[in-house]
Amino acid sequence: KAGVTQTPRYLIKTRGQQVTLSCSPISGHRSVSWYQQTPGQGLQFLFEYFSETQRNKGNFPGRFSGRQFSNSRSEMNVSTLELGDSALYLCASSAGQGDSLAFFGQGTRLTVV
Amino acid sequence: GESVGLHLPTLSVQEGDNSIINCAYSNSASDYFIWYKQESGKGPQFIIDIRSNMDKRQGQRVTVLLNKTVKHLSLQIAATQPGDSAVYFCAGVRRDTGRRALTFGSGTRLQVQP
Repeated sequence: KAGVTQTPRYLIKTRGQQVTLSCSPISGHRSVSWYQQTPGQGLQFLFEYFSETQRNKGNFPGRFSGRQFSNSRSEMNVSTLELGDSALYLCASSAGQGDSLAFFGQGTRLTVV
Repeated sequence: GESVGLHLPTLSVQEGDNSIINCAYSNSASDYFIWYKQESGKGPQFIIDIRSNMDKRQGQRVTVLLNKTVKHLSLQIAATQPGDSAVYFCAGVRRDTGRRALTFGSGTRLQVQP
């Protein structure tokens, strides 16, 4: 069974640009959550999607958005990038909403210059 | 809101020794707690979880202890191996009307000396 796949692995963008990251969950998993990981703030929850609906949202500005497709694949978008958005963005999938057994992808390393 | 943090940023142990990684939380609303292991260049890997109505849970070479009185949990790794070197995170999970909120601590780096 393939694991969680995130693309791209690495990305360099300039301030003011926007970026879209992709996450393909484990086959059969319907819940996808996104996290931002930085050395200073650690792992912070962005949002969770289940059955194409955002079920939960963390404390991030509106520049951070996401969506989930009918095949459970998810994308997150960050608009008007800031230097502080440089981070490792992690996606986690789980079988059901609220399932404790969440599997993480390897993440997308975003660098904003 | 929930606050989950770690006592020590770095823990160095000798190969074969037992390791104990600690975590404190401030809010009692978590329904369960999870320990994750993150190796360099990889995403966090689920290790073990424990529900808030339990005091102890054992896995393969790992044991998690939960002390609700002092709002503290620990991860014990028996016979620590070089492959255990990683950053370990505790996370509190609160289920609220079906939604899941997961809050991570800042992480403890475990270094295993040969």
